[in-house]
Amino acid sequence: SQKIEQNSEALNIQEGKTATLTCNYTNYSPAYLQWYRQDPGRGPVFLLLIRENEKEKRKERLKVTFDTTLKQSLFHITASQPADSATYLCALDLAGGGNKLTFGTGTQLKVEL
Amino acid sequence: EPEVTQTPSHQVTQMGQEVILRCVPISNHLYFYWYRQILGQKVEFLVSFYNNEISEKSEIFDDQFSVERPDGSNFTLKIRSTKLEDSAMYFCASSARYIASTDTQYFGPGTRLTVL
Repeated sequence: SQKIEQNSEALNIQEGKTATLTCNYTNYSPAYLQWYRQDPGRGPVFLLLIRENEKEKRKERLKVTFDTTLKQSLFHITASQPADSATYLCALDLAGGGNKLTFGTGTQLKVEL
Repeated sequence: EPEVTQTPSHQVTQMGQEVILRCVPISNHLYFYWYRQILGQKVEFLVSFYNNEISEKSEIFDDQFSVERPDGSNFTLKIRSTKLEDSAMYFCASSARYIASTDTQYFGPGTRLTVL
């Protein structure tokens, strides 16, 4: 069966450290993988998109890697701040008709002072 | 910065009643989507819409659901006869998605639907 797995346990880190979140998937061949941020009671906010032929993507303090052999994406936030505290969702885009996104359950990140 | 808007922010209804959730996508976008998120669960795809017709729909999107773009700006989701299990946060999204490329989806703030 198809699965997208993210760490279900919350990740607590100290301010200034690097947060690393994991997204693993099985039985998918995504063309694109996207990371979103979701705050409580709000809609997902797009952060980064990485294509199947890209290994790494960066945007300011954010970095995403994509290993299609391992079927895994890692999402890094460097120099983390309390404002980074949120739930982070990975989503697969299979690039089939309709362009639907298939989301993981998300990992809650809490950055402490 | 352009954004997707949704109304109402919260809708309470009785089981069996019809509800219409409304969305205004970003103005130059071509693809429109509805997703839902039951409390504590993951975001789930319902339907995508392009060129005035459904492109793809999930198993959740049964005959009780319909979508419409009644004019050049609004995009609506109708649930004909609501059930208790329809209680969820409903998100509208839109993307530019030109042919031979892909584009990110921008989500609205959501409508919380509570079915009593």
